[in-house]
Amino acid sequence: QSVLTQPPSVSGAPGQRVTISCTGSSSNIGAGYDVHWYQQLPGTAPKLLIYGNSNRPSGVPDRFSGSKSGTSASLAITGLQAEDEADYYCQSYDSSLSGPGVVFGGGTKLTVL
Amino acid sequence: EVQLVESGGGLVQPGRSLRLSCAASGFTFDDYAMHWVRQAPGKGLEWVSGISWNSGSIGYADSVKGRFTISRDNAKNSLYLQMNSLRAEDTALYYCAKDMRNRIAVAGIDAFDIWGQGTMVTVSS
Repeated sequence: QSVLTQPPSVSGAPGQRVTISCTGSSSNIGAGYDVHWYQQLPGTAPKLLIYGNSNRPSGVPDRFSGSKSGTSASLAITGLQAEDEADYYCQSYDSSLSGPGVVFGGGTKLTVL
Repeated sequence: EVQLVESGGGLVQPGRSLRLSCAASGFTFDDYAMHWVRQAPGKGLEWVSGISWNSGSIGYADSVKGRFTISRDNAKNSLYLQMNSLRAEDTALYYCAKDMRNRIAVAGIDAFDIWGQGTMVTVSS
């Protein structure tokens, strides 16, 4: 059971737009901590896709965008391409009394139809 | 080239210990917080532990607290994870990852911009 909740899977046809949600709580996203997103292609290490809620590292196409509101965040991918088929993870920081630290979403598998 | 290379994984019996290492190159290691993140076969990412640039902030996931110890040797540009009392559920690919911004006071606030390729730990009798 992940602290951040993501849909297990999403899908879309080439050229379409998909969104992936990441729902947290008042001790993480809702507390104002940034949300970051990663893309993990099969058999490879995760790659930073979005940092600080909505910023793209150099080299990441502007087809990828992020947003945050309240206790949730979203990753949007427009102009879907076959190479976007991967697992996507959100990440934030949790300040709960049981032990502060990094939290990840359970991951979302994107299938390009 | 900025690079992280993990080593030290392998097959170990339940209850035994293992020490992972992560060798960093291509950046000023002692300016950045570092982390261990693991991924069990077919599962998602799980943060294991993080240590700030000056070792002033250290954190652990509840699942490893009291059994794992993170440390760093800035003179050797290396990060370590001492894993004791290993359990079957610790079986995973262990990644080393670097904070994106330098000198962040709290380990875990920032994004991880560089990841190693991982070292596999299998706990089984």
